[in-house]
Amino acid sequence: QKEVEQDPGPLSVPEGAIVSLNCTYSNSAFQYFMWYRQYSRKGPELLMYTYSSGNKEDGRFTAQVDKSSKYISLFIRDSQPSDSATYLCAMTNQAGTALIFGKGTTLSVSS
Amino acid sequence: DARVTQTPRHKVTEMGQEVTMRCQPILGHNTVFWYRQTMMQGLELLAYFRNRAPLDDSGMPKDRFSAEMPDATLATLKIQPSEPRDSAVYFCASGLASGIEAFFGQGTRLTVV
Repeated sequence: QKEVEQDPGPLSVPEGAIVSLNCTYSNSAFQYFMWYRQYSRKGPELLMYTYSSGNKEDGRFTAQVDKSSKYISLFIRDSQPSDSATYLCAMTNQAGTALIFGKGTTLSVSS
Repeated sequence: DARVTQTPRHKVTEMGQEVTMRCQPILGHNTVFWYRQTMMQGLELLAYFRNRAPLDDSGMPKDRFSAEMPDATLATLKIQPSEPRDSAVYFCASGLASGIEAFFGQGTRLTVV
């Protein structure tokens, strides 16, 4: 079993839909939880991160962490075609150390 | 415009040949990561450096892969000899020891035939 599991999808939704992306993990030492977005043929870029448990909101994006269940989520409200990309969860136990990534979920938002 | 620069962007080589990939981290960043991305495995950590010293290279096949940082502005990843199963996109990323974010380069797309 990999340390971080993520359903690769693909996930297809119409414009305006609410999207839910999820990851589970096995290492209870993870403290920092991130979501990266990767467009085709580009490197991943940090979307947002959360420290420990709780919620964090940034515009149309909300990240949730439930450490008791070892489960993290990213919600996208009012999804746009420009949100079409691969979303990768990542986590680490300490700042400045290597991130462990999920495989990524490919999202397609149609207009 | 601070960014991680990787060269070459694309590389096609024959099995058995040596491949060298280069990375210029963002100026001032003291942590450098090498990742490999495939459809099957996703993003896998190969190695990472702090202040040019290797901290972890347990994800790298040691018999054929090697990673170095000759100076603070250059990181290299070598494969010798290359094999078709090494075909993947190799990403370099840099960051700060105190930071959360890893800044990724555009990647080197390697095809070994």
